[in-house]
Amino acid sequence: KQEVTQIPAALSVPEGENLVLNCSFTDSAIYNLQWFRQDPGKGLTSLLLIQSSQREQTSGRLNASLDKSSGRSTLYIAASQPGDSATYLCAAPAGGYNKLIFGAGTRLAVHP
Amino acid sequence: DTAVSQTPKYLVTQMGNDKSIKCEQNLGHDTMYWYKQDSKKFLKIMFSYNNKELIINETVPNRFSPKSPDKAHLNLHINSLELGDSAVYFCASSQGQGSNFNEQFFGPGTRLTVL
Repeated sequence: KQEVTQIPAALSVPEGENLVLNCSFTDSAIYNLQWFRQDPGKGLTSLLLIQSSQREQTSGRLNASLDKSSGRSTLYIAASQPGDSATYLCAAPAGGYNKLIFGAGTRLAVHP
Repeated sequence: DTAVSQTPKYLVTQMGNDKSIKCEQNLGHDTMYWYKQDSKKFLKIMFSYNNKELIINETVPNRFSPKSPDKAHLNLHINSLELGDSAVYFCASSQGQGSNFNEQFFGPGTRLTVL
């Protein structure tokens, strides 16, 4: 059974810091892993999808890594900005199906 | 252009009523999903359809009935609404399944409040 855990649950940092958000999953038989961003009262925005054959995926200031053997993924945010404030969700598929199992999220606040 | 759209955005109704939420995607995807986000912000899958066929049905009360008239639409009908049904419901879509499954794209959500 797939379970996804995210650490920390909340993070408050000053603008400009580099951040690491952690995600761990119990079933390493995954095809990919997806990171999302959710702003308060809004839907989910897909940030990065890492295929199981990849170790890293980059988009702008975001870099996500995947280590299937240890059941871990990290989201690295470089030079954080107040606009990065949101909840970041990690999701791993369960078994051979498409259903995503979500972590509880990391609530990020970047203050000027 | 909206990729995954849902209507209505907000739904306030009395206990015992029946209501529907509609979802449409214009991405040409063949798989669509319904997720529920509860008051603690935890997201959990409810259903998934691939080419109009139900492929995932989690432990959801049978008061919830999804319907997919075509690949681009997946509606959610809820009978006899209960207080505990209050949540945000998200529709999503993706292309492919299994090892060819790619990223999922989410709609803006429908906030359901049952009084």
